[in-house]
Amino acid sequence: SQTIHQWPATLVQPVGSPLSLECTVEGTSNPNLYWYRQAAGRGLQLLFYSVGIGQISSEVPQNLSASRPQDRQFILSSKKLLLSDSGFYLCAWSRGTGLNTEAFFGQGTRLTVV
Amino acid sequence: QKEVEQDPGPLSVPEGAIVSLNCTYSNSAFQYFMWYRQYSRKGPELLMYTYSSGNKEDGRFTAQVDKSSKYISLFIRDSQPSDSATYLCAMSGFDSWGKLQFGAGTQVVVTP
Repeated sequence: SQTIHQWPATLVQPVGSPLSLECTVEGTSNPNLYWYRQAAGRGLQLLFYSVGIGQISSEVPQNLSASRPQDRQFILSSKKLLLSDSGFYLCAWSRGTGLNTEAFFGQGTRLTVV
Repeated sequence: QKEVEQDPGPLSVPEGAIVSLNCTYSNSAFQYFMWYRQYSRKGPELLMYTYSSGNKEDGRFTAQVDKSSKYISLFIRDSQPSDSATYLCAMSGFDSWGKLQFGAGTQVVVTP
């Protein structure tokens, strides 16, 4: 079976500090990978998605970047965090296009920028 | 106007009642529809997935899609306190690379 791991679960970082969140998927190959952000009381907003190693598409211009160094590894980064970067960050994977578009989520990282 | 509209609630129901949730959407390109359940401080868990108009049933859950009205619903029968969570609708179009558009989520509280 497939599993998705995301860490850390909670993170408190000062403004201006760097960020690195990691996500790995097990039990599947060539997944599509996604980073979503969820603000308090709101739905999920897609930040980045990747259909293969080194292939990153950004949905929203922002202070964040993403990388996919390996097939099942997805990393969310920032060089200098802003207060507005606080939120609940979720990594997800899906099998691909067409009839297999449902996404499966990790347990999330709650980031507080202080 | 948001592409996906969902009443945030909260929706409070007594144990054993039917929970009725719905979303409306404006983009006729959406072909695939999902419902997720999210407990507090956890990642969303996929409950139902459908890609055709009509009803799909799985245990106590029934998902309903009406593409002509751009309206989807989720019904939970015999609700339990453990069903208390936020329910998110999500949808995507064909060849969208699995990118999902989410509703804001409806908070459901089932009281014993």
